[in-house]
Amino acid sequence: SQQGEEDPQALSIQEGENATMNCSYKTSINNLQWYRQNSGRGLVHLILIRSNEREKHSGRLRVTLDTSKKSSSLLITASRAADTASYFCGSYSGGGADGLTFGKGTHLIIQP
Amino acid sequence: DAGVTQSPTHLIKTRGQQVTLRCSPKSGHDTVSWYQQALGQGPQFIFQYYEEEERQRGNFPDRFSGHQFPNYSSELNVNALLLGDSALYLCASSFRGGGSLRFQYFGPGTRLTVT
Repeated sequence: SQQGEEDPQALSIQEGENATMNCSYKTSINNLQWYRQNSGRGLVHLILIRSNEREKHSGRLRVTLDTSKKSSSLLITASRAADTASYFCGSYSGGGADGLTFGKGTHLIIQP
Repeated sequence: DAGVTQSPTHLIKTRGQQVTLRCSPKSGHDTVSWYQQALGQGPQFIFQYYEEEERQRGNFPDRFSGHQFPNYSSELNVNALLLGDSALYLCASSFRGGGSLRFQYFGPGTRLTVT
């Protein structure tokens, strides 16, 4: 079963615009992590937000977390062509001694 | 410092055959997790190895087995291959001491095609 579900499944925007993608999860979490995947390659960790945090920034990335709604959002500001990729949210459903559970991802296309 | 490496890059097998995939974790990491990613889907957790033992397992049949060696490298074995086993297999490593705050470093994956 999948813990997270990203929305939208696909997003196409113009370079320079902001991109927002959302993630919903089912069970309680310790933290939620966002990863990026380029063209079927390995995932790269972007940012981690703890369950007691509401917002976190890293460069052009902003992540929010609403534990009452079991949802998170990832905002990429001033998008670039290199941001074209699939984005996944993942979480540990247990105490951390297990694997991450991912949703189906959002495929982001940045049009030049 | 080399990151997570996986071999081979691509593999083509026939139904019913067996396959072994290999992974070397990032330096300093002691935990290896394996994921299966079907086309257009998110990665699905197969199992995790720590101290040469399988610690946690996802919803995968016994045809999927693994091993971790003393140098922390790992193998994923799949027996009696099915067409549905065609996927990108990702290995990820982490340091167990990070607990639930650790994030995982992923390798580039092995693309398995079963015909």
